[in-house]
Amino acid sequence: NAGVTQTPKFQVLKTGQSMTLQCAQDMNHEYMSWYRQDPGMGLRLIHYSVGAGITDQGEVPNGYNVSRSTTEDFPLRLLSAAPSQTSVYFCASSYVAGYNEQFFGPGTRLTVL
Amino acid sequence: EDQVTQSPEALRLQEGESSSLNCSYTVSGLRGLFWYRQDPGKGPEFLFTLYSAGEEKEKERLKATLTKKESFLHITAPKPEDSATYLCAVQAPAGGSYIPTFGRGTSLIVHP
Repeated sequence: NAGVTQTPKFQVLKTGQSMTLQCAQDMNHEYMSWYRQDPGMGLRLIHYSVGAGITDQGEVPNGYNVSRSTTEDFPLRLLSAAPSQTSVYFCASSYVAGYNEQFFGPGTRLTVL
Repeated sequence: EDQVTQSPEALRLQEGESSSLNCSYTVSGLRGLFWYRQDPGKGPEFLFTLYSAGEEKEKERLKATLTKKESFLHITAPKPEDSATYLCAVQAPAGGSYIPTFGRGTSLIVHP
């Protein structure tokens, strides 16, 4: 099993550009989520999904879109990048929502100039 | 207002010097408290889940305990390879949603 994979590992964008961060898991987990991690802030939930076709907002959803067309994939789209979105982004998955530990991907380090 | 507070923010230990990390929480209806380890440049790695007060879990030099207000991660005779940031997260019902709350972490450095 590859676990949770994320691409790309690093990305530099200019303000106003859009892009998609990819996330995939091969553990047949129902729950997937996206976090951002900033110095001194801890991990903050952006969006999550409790199953294919179902998504919901987390703490900091503004400026981001998600979709979940398959169990395996959960891409995160930045609509119009802003410097405030400079961060490290982690995708995570777990068997079900709410009770189980999450498995995290290796992260994507995004810089917006 | 933080629902999860970890202390200390940073901790330096000598190899073999045992200590404890604290995670205090104010949520009600706790569904689970999770400990993760995060190495620099990597994603968090799951360590333990605790569900009810009085519960304890152990793994090698680490032991996690839970009360109604806080959790401790005890590190016995730490080694340099235990150096990492340790994250605590709580899961509590919030209008039926599934939003875990993470603390800011404790950065542990173990000197040889």
